[in-house]
Formats: sequence, C-alpha cells, structure tokens
Amino acid sequence: IVMTQSPDSLAASLGERATINCKSSQSILSNSNNKNFLAWYQQKPGQPPKLLIYWASTRESGVPDRFSGSESGTDFTLTISSLQAEDVAVYYCQHYYSTPYTFGQGTKVEIK
Amino acid sequence: EVQLVESGGGLVQPGGSLRLSCEASGFTFNSNWMSWVRQAPGKGPEWVANIKQDGSEKYYVDSVKGRFTISRDNAKNSLYLQMNSLRAEDTAVYYCASHNYYYFGMDVWGQGTTVTVSS
Repeated sequence: IVMTQSPDSLAASLGERATINCKSSQSILSNSNNKNFLAWYQQKPGQPPKLLIYWASTRESGVPDRFSGSESGTDFTLTISSLQAEDVAVYYCQHYYSTPYTFGQGTKVEIK
Repeated sequence: EVQLVESGGGLVQPGGSLRLSCEASGFTFNSNWMSWVRQAPGKGPEWVANIKQDGSEKYYVDSVKGRFTISRDNAKNSLYLQMNSLRAEDTAVYYCASHNYYYFGMDVWGQGTTVTVSS
C-alpha cells in the first residue's frame, strides 16, 4: 500500500489553518470495526515521531484540539485549525492495515 | 513513566552484524505488539518489523527479510533486532515502538539508536 502525501511543504502564518493531504493506494478500512487504520505523526528535529491521530480521525490523548483528522474513502486530511509556533515540524501519515506499514513521504510545516 | 530505551547501535562494516535492544518500562510490555522503525538521514520513517505479544507472529519489510530477526523476552520487558549482512542502505536511526492494544497505532516510541554501516 502506497501512501501519497501532499504538499511536500507548506508555510502559513500564525493562527492560520494548515491542511495536509494523504491518499492510500487501496482501502485501509478494517472489516472488523469499520475504522480506517490510518495514523498521523508529528516529528520535530532530533525527536521520534509523535502520534497525533489514530483511526484517521481520533485524537490521541493530550493532543491539542486544533489538530483534527478527516477521511473520505482512501483520502485523508490532517488539519491544524490555528497554526502555532510549536507546530513547526514534519508530519507523516501511516497506514497500519497490513504489513508493511508504510508512511507517506512527509509534509514540512513552517511559519510564514 | 512509560518509556522505551534503545541500545546497541554503532558503526559496523558492510556485511557485519549488530544486535539492537529496546527495554520497556511503565506499561504492560507483554500486552502489546512491538515494532522496529528506522529513519535514514534526511528521509521519512520506514517500518522494519513487528512481533506479536507472545512472539508467535513476526513480519518484516521485504528489504530486510532473511537478514534481520526480531525477537522479544517478555520476562525482561525487552525487544531485540538482530541485524546480519548489513548494507550501507541500512544506515539509519532505529526506533522501537509499541502498538496500542486497542487501536494499534504506535503510541510509544523510544529515542532511537543510530546504526552506521560504512567501511
């Protein structure tokens, strides 16, 4: 399963909305619970990835509510509703539907 | 505190071997699938392998099949990655990660250990 993210990078002003897209090459919808096995991670330099969203749209505990995930078929979106300075990072989508669990190529988010 | 701590990385010549270790604390290690994920310099993460709670199932990315072996010792709360026949393209930071029992996303990550394959 190939995960394709867009854009490769984006720059937005503080307080603006930032949107990252991810498309899977095939369905990652589980028959057992009707959930898409899609996660979003944030990675800052020198740190491991941090889980933000699982099941495509469920926010991990402790993640600010300005981060949200949405889904439509094999298209997935991570939205940062009001960009903050601490959100500067690279964001990755990843499916965990079947091995190998592949990641998107990443989207670098910067402040304009 | 929930924690994963990797060790065992280093500089190794092509064709050599290394064994990575990951020690878990602060959670019930034997309840979760565990994975190794690597990240080459300047690249995105790449899932490498995972192992079921009791070690009965193991899966690998094609590029490491036959060369790497994942294992675990639940009595020691530890995960391992035996890496043989190392290649330059195996150079990366190797992370261990725990899969959440309920939703399976990788919610706990170590800080990583660096493997450099070079002559």
